[in-house]
Amino acid sequence: DAGVIQSPRHEVTEMGQEVTLRCKPISGHDYLFWYRQTMMRGLELLIYFNNNVPIDDSGMPEDRFSAKMPNASFSTLKIQPSEPRDSAVYFCASSFGGRGGQETQYFGPGTRLLVL
Amino acid sequence: DAKTTQPPSMDCAEGRAANLPCNHSTISGNEYVYWYRQIHSQGPQYIIHGLKNNETNEMASLIITEDRKSSTLILPHATLRDTAVYYCIVRVPGSARQLTFGSGTQLTVLP
Repeated sequence: DAGVIQSPRHEVTEMGQEVTLRCKPISGHDYLFWYRQTMMRGLELLIYFNNNVPIDDSGMPEDRFSAKMPNASFSTLKIQPSEPRDSAVYFCASSFGGRGGQETQYFGPGTRLLVL
Repeated sequence: DAKTTQPPSMDCAEGRAANLPCNHSTISGNEYVYWYRQIHSQGPQYIIHGLKNNETNEMASLIITEDRKSSTLILPHATLRDTAVYYCIVRVPGSARQLTFGSGTQLTVLP
């Protein structure tokens, strides 16, 4: 398996622009997570999906952030408009919950976002 | 999730075993011990997990004490590529989806 795939790996944009981050989870996994990592705040969960349905988006900073999962193999995280404080590394992770499963989250390589 | 305590940093000579300790004295009966690591500029990487029995996989071994209040992650033959921050996490699978990473242990493998 190729693991969790994220694109782009690096993104540099100007304040006010729309940014779209993409994630392909591991095939067969039914949970997908979006995290953000900064030096100041560490790793923060933004939102997670189960079977393509958003379950908990309490970590989404504000209305400028939105996430979708149109099918089991694709998810997007969109920031519109972007701000310099959104600069961070964004990770996507997936896991298999299963019935009584001991889910283990597998992370993608991350998207390094810089908003100027 | 139970609180964990790890030393902030450790060094290990290349080729030697790296033993990373973790204290989780408040662990409850249904909580598992998970280990992840994060190599600089990469995503966190799952290493191993266990409940009460010792576990081994291709990456590492996990030794959990009989009272389950502490555990040790063992990298049998550390290489320079094992230099990373190692995180010990205690959680009940399915109870809370977020992985909460503490400060971890910075392992530096020295040539």
